[in-house]
Amino acid sequence: GAGVSQSPSNKVTEKGKDVELRCDPISGHTALYWYRQSLGQGLEFLIYFQGNSAPDKSGLPSDRFSAERTGGSVSTLTIQRTQQEDSAVYLCASSYAWQVGNEQYFGPGTRLTVT
Amino acid sequence: GNSVTQMEGPVTLSEEAFLTINCTYTATGYPSLFWYVQYPGEGLQLLLKATKADDKGSNKGFEATYRKETTSFHLEKGSVQVSDSAVYFCAYASSGSARQLTFGSGTQLTVLP
Repeated sequence: GAGVSQSPSNKVTEKGKDVELRCDPISGHTALYWYRQSLGQGLEFLIYFQGNSAPDKSGLPSDRFSAERTGGSVSTLTIQRTQQEDSAVYLCASSYAWQVGNEQYFGPGTRLTVT
Repeated sequence: GNSVTQMEGPVTLSEEAFLTINCTYTATGYPSLFWYVQYPGEGLQLLLKATKADDKGSNKGFEATYRKETTSFHLEKGSVQVSDSAVYFCAYASSGSARQLTFGSGTQLTVLP
């Protein structure tokens, strides 16, 4: 079946602009995660959605970052007033939450470059 | 705090050589442990996992055993191939309500023919 999809695959933006990154999880997966992969910081957790529960935002690096998940499916990560340090690959993953071992399936990522 | 420490790369091996990538973790409770692989130009893929102490995960000739007494999950393969060239990430998911993955820094493996 279809895997996790993300769009756009690449995004170049100017410093100070807002960007929106989209994630379509695997159908039926109730948990959705956003991570960031950058050279200096490796792979970092950003935010976690589980069903209709309040999201776990503990990994968001600043209040310029926000995310929503509509209808328990598609998610959008928004970065306001982008900075050069926001340049990274943003990865989305989904899983059947509460499954023992919690195997997460990753999308191909969105490469964000802030100039 | 909770963390994963894995062997720094890059690692370069000849084809058919033995591979070990060390991974240790610091976490409370009984986390689940994973190895993910990222092939050039591709996304992260689960390679193998183990969910309790002494479990051995295996896939594509790779193996790793969950050692709670040493808090380790070392990745091994007896005979690597050129196609194994990739970046390997060790990770854990806590046993609590927050199920996000905590990753190691990744180890770049290059296998030469």
